[in-house]
Amino acid sequence: ETGVTQSPTHLIKTRGQQVTLRCSSQSGHNTVSWYQQALGQGPQFIFQYYREEENGRGNFPPRFSGLQFPNYSSELNVNALELDDSALYLCASNSDLNEQFFGPGTRLTVL
Amino acid sequence: SQQGEEDPQALSIQEGENATMNCSYKTSINNLQWYRQNSGRGLVHLILIRSNEREKHSGRLRVTLDTSKKSSSLLITASRAADTASYFCATDHSGTGNQFYFGTGTSLTVIP
Repeated sequence: ETGVTQSPTHLIKTRGQQVTLRCSSQSGHNTVSWYQQALGQGPQFIFQYYREEENGRGNFPPRFSGLQFPNYSSELNVNALELDDSALYLCASNSDLNEQFFGPGTRLTVL
Repeated sequence: SQQGEEDPQALSIQEGENATMNCSYKTSINNLQWYRQNSGRGLVHLILIRSNEREKHSGRLRVTLDTSKKSSSLLITASRAADTASYFCATDHSGTGNQFYFGTGTSLTVIP
């Protein structure tokens, strides 16, 4: 158990819809990162939040956005869903030693 | 690209044998982490090795880091069927804070 939880486990949406994925980090972990993992690929860094501010972003369009809250929870929002957004979405929180601990992921299917 | 690249892409061994996976990267790093992933589930953190460290052990796992060659290796000794999974390295590059970049992974199959 990593202490990082994500919801929902699975989600099915249609093209053009919007989706919000949620993550609850370990207490005391001020940094949360979100990743997209397509089938057969390694996780791709979407963005990172530190103390509720975006702290870095990967090569993802602005329709991918996020929020981090003071209670160590965070959200990933994706607008105008496309078929290629179908993937496993992972969040991870960083310990003081900079180890990243991942949640179980949300499997998003876009039809 | 800042991503690590694992080698080989796939590895199949008999139970009890050792498995070695390699990771190469292109730019200076702060840290390198190895993860295991079973069949599309979340990633399990195995070991973090810092840029000033050369070797770390954890149980049957041994990780080495050669910053001059920009490479790392993960050795699993006395493999078990339960070690069957995909293994990823993730690199945290200088100047990018705590942002980790993953390779495409090594798929390990341990045959009972």
